[in-house]
Amino acid sequence: ILNVEQSPQSLHVQEGDSTNFTCSFPSSNFYALHWYRWETAKSPEALFVMTLNGDEKKKGRISATLNTKEGYSYLYIKGSQPEDSATYLCAFTTNAGKSTFGDGTTLTVKP
Amino acid sequence: DAGVIQSPRHEVTEMGQEVTLRCKPISGHNSLFWYRQTMMRGLELLIYFNNNVPIDDSGMPEDRFSAKMPNASFSTLKIQPSEPRDSAVYFCASSLGGNRGPGANVLTFGAGSRLTVL
Repeated sequence: ILNVEQSPQSLHVQEGDSTNFTCSFPSSNFYALHWYRWETAKSPEALFVMTLNGDEKKKGRISATLNTKEGYSYLYIKGSQPEDSATYLCAFTTNAGKSTFGDGTTLTVKP
Repeated sequence: DAGVIQSPRHEVTEMGQEVTLRCKPISGHNSLFWYRQTMMRGLELLIYFNNNVPIDDSGMPEDRFSAKMPNASFSTLKIQPSEPRDSAVYFCASSLGGNRGPGANVLTFGAGSRLTVL
């Protein structure tokens, strides 16, 4: 059974705070790691595709890094806004396209 | 494209009844996935198809669950007979798939079908 773990499970921050959370995954047979953003009452939407060790991707105030040798990825949000409130999922994806998801980190940003 | 379309959005049924959930993937996507979301287990993969062929059904909980993909634009997930513990949100997702690199494996999700079995 593939183990994809995310921490923390939930996070409450004040507007303007910067925050980060972790996704850990098996370091062997790595192909890709995907990050998704899942807002309440919506469906998960893709944020980043991470493939190479040392990758760093950025979209606005959100960025992610990847360490395939030790099996972890960090997602950072700079200057959190209430609209960043969502569950952030990572998915370990094989070259056959099968994605195994972590349980997610639920972020709540208070105004 | 209208995205991945699932129906019904909500279904309430009684224990023992047959439930059929439907999915239309994005046109041109070659891979289709059925996931189940519960509080206890998060998003768990039930089954996925490549080019209409089931590749991995190891996540299907038991024989009461079956899935088909008769053509590239339609898939069903059937539960017969349904039980209260099947209550969950069932998501269908599709991706380009194939050997086109990691970006082609990004999933586009449907809105989900919320199933309640009484």
